[in-house]
This record gives sequence, C-alpha cells and structure tokens, in this order.
Amino acid sequence: EPEVTQTPSHQVTQMGQEVILRCVPISNHLYFYWYRQILGQKVEFLVSFYNNEISEKSEIFDDQFSVERPDGSNFTLKIRSTKLEDSAMYFCASSEAPGRETQYFGPGTRLLVL
Amino acid sequence: SQKIEQNSEALNIQEGKTATLTCNYTNYSPAYLQWYRQDPGRGPVFLLLIRENEKEKRKERLKVTFDTTLKQSLFHITASQPADSATYLCALYGGATNKLIFGTGTLLAVQP
Repeated sequence: EPEVTQTPSHQVTQMGQEVILRCVPISNHLYFYWYRQILGQKVEFLVSFYNNEISEKSEIFDDQFSVERPDGSNFTLKIRSTKLEDSAMYFCASSEAPGRETQYFGPGTRLLVL
Repeated sequence: SQKIEQNSEALNIQEGKTATLTCNYTNYSPAYLQWYRQDPGRGPVFLLLIRENEKEKRKERLKVTFDTTLKQSLFHITASQPADSATYLCALYGGATNKLIFGTGTLLAVQP
C-alpha cells in the first residue's frame, strides 16, 4: 500500500541553524501539507501546497518557514533559523483531492532544537 | 470560539468490551469528520471518514456515527483487543479551508 515517507526520522540541531525536513508524498497525490505536534499537544496545521504554491498557511508558518517541491517526488519544509520552541514532531501529509478528503500522514520527523 | 473536544484524556477498558470515544465540536459546520489512530512517536493513521449526510459508517470492528444536530461524533471499537491501545484523534475541516483541525485525542488502554 502506498505511503508517505519522511526523512530524517530524528534531527537534532543548534538554535539558529537551518534545517530541512523531507517528505515523499503518495505518488498520485496532488495536495501536500505540513503539520506539527509539540510533545503532549494537538496536531497543528502549518501549511498546504498545491500546484507549486502555498494554498494556505497558519499563523505558526512565519517567515522562518518555507516549503518547496524541488522535483516530481519530494516535498520539503525548511526552517531558516531554528528556535527552541520549534522542537516538535513534524508530519507531512498528502491527499488526492482538494483538502476535504482523506489526508494520509507520514511517520514524522522528531526535531530537537538545543 | 471554535472548539473540538474529545471526551476524556484516557479511557481504560477490558479486552472484549466495546470502547466508545466521543468528539464534540462547537462553532464548526463540518461536511466531513475523520478519525485517526496515533501510536506514540508516530504519525496519525487514517481510520474512517464520515460525511454530514451519513449517520453511520462501519469498517470491520470500527463504527463511527455523526450527529450534526448534537455536533457530536461517536467512535466505537467492538471486541476490543490490547493491540487497539493507542490515542484516537478526531479531525474536521474548519470552514472554507483545506486544513484539518484535530482534537486533543483520547488515549485508549485495553487491558488483557
């Protein structure tokens, strides 16, 4: 069964450093998302992406964040200058149709900012 | 304000019993509501989606109901097993948007 994959599974970085989290969505899906989950809290939406542009973003997704689909398979989330409060699990998701259908999630990248 | 609440943080039941989890929402009018399972340190895994014009949806031992008048969804696991132990999340789309809004989840523990 097709699934969303994410790399790396864990990332430790120093505050102020840039990180890039990578995702390979399900191959026939056209809509891509990033969510995050701070330990013990809810899963929160960050951004959605379609047709090579951001379709929606949350208040969390400020200028330090960017997304890109550099080729036909990868979808990346970049944090330019990490802060301690960016420590969380980051989940990529994809869906076949515009949002109001099932979104399939990857296993996540655990980011720890020291 | 808009809220999605799940009935309890934790639910403990005996193996073989039916687990019933509740999701209540306020100030949303979702056309769809979804249930996901999340294991520790893992991503949410899709279980069931129910539409506003569907009262009930079943998949194997899982059943979901959706009452748009009560603004509530119930999620049932029949003949529960220890392997069903996980956090269960309800999620809906908030308004004219593609983002999923998640509840805080209910941690289900099925005792052998």
